Amino acid sequence: ILNVEQSPQSLHVQEGDSTNFTCSFPSSNFYALHWYRWETAKSPEALFVMTLNGDEKKKGRISATLNTKEGYSYLYIKGSQPEDSATYLCAFLNQGGKLIFGQGTELSVKP
Amino acid sequence: NAGVTQTPKFQVLKTGQSMTLQCAQDMNHEYMSWYRQDPGMGLRLIHYSVGAGITDQGEVPNGYNVSRSTTEDFPLRLLSAAPSQTSVYFCASVGVPTEAFFGQGTRLTVV
Repeated sequence: ILNVEQSPQSLHVQEGDSTNFTCSFPSSNFYALHWYRWETAKSPEALFVMTLNGDEKKKGRISATLNTKEGYSYLYIKGSQPEDSATYLCAFLNQGGKLIFGQGTELSVKP
Repeated sequence: NAGVTQTPKFQVLKTGQSMTLQCAQDMNHEYMSWYRQDPGMGLRLIHYSVGAGITDQGEVPNGYNVSRSTTEDFPLRLLSAAPSQTSVYFCASVGVPTEAFFGQGTRLTVV
């Protein structure tokens, strides 16, 4: 059984706060780690795909890091805005083609 | 370029009825997957495929069948629907090593 765990389960912050979420995954049989942004009634939207230990990716105010040896990834949002409110999912892709998602972190940003 | 086409968008079934959810992609991806989304549980993998003729079970396969006769199509069959299968279903096509592309989702209610 592949376990992909995300924390916290939910997060409520004020506009302008910086936030970070954690994703832990198996450290063996690793192929890639994905981050998605998911809004209610929509399909998940890809943020990052990371494949190498030590990878750091950035898109605007959002960035992510990857540690494949210890099996964790962090997603950071700098200066949160109300439009950042969504559920953030990480997903572990193993070498056998199985893409397993964590249960998500629900972010709410108040103006 | 349609990406991932998933149908239907909504469906109501009676207990014991069967149906097929259709999923087609035009990106020539080898990897395709089916997920169900339930409150507080993120996306759970039902079945996946790494190529035509190759399928495997995910985290919650019971009550569902799949086949992959072509690269493009990956239908999900419910043989005898149960109320526990009431959920939102997503098909995904993974462009290794890029991200997963999702269908629009199917909201299924079993009464």
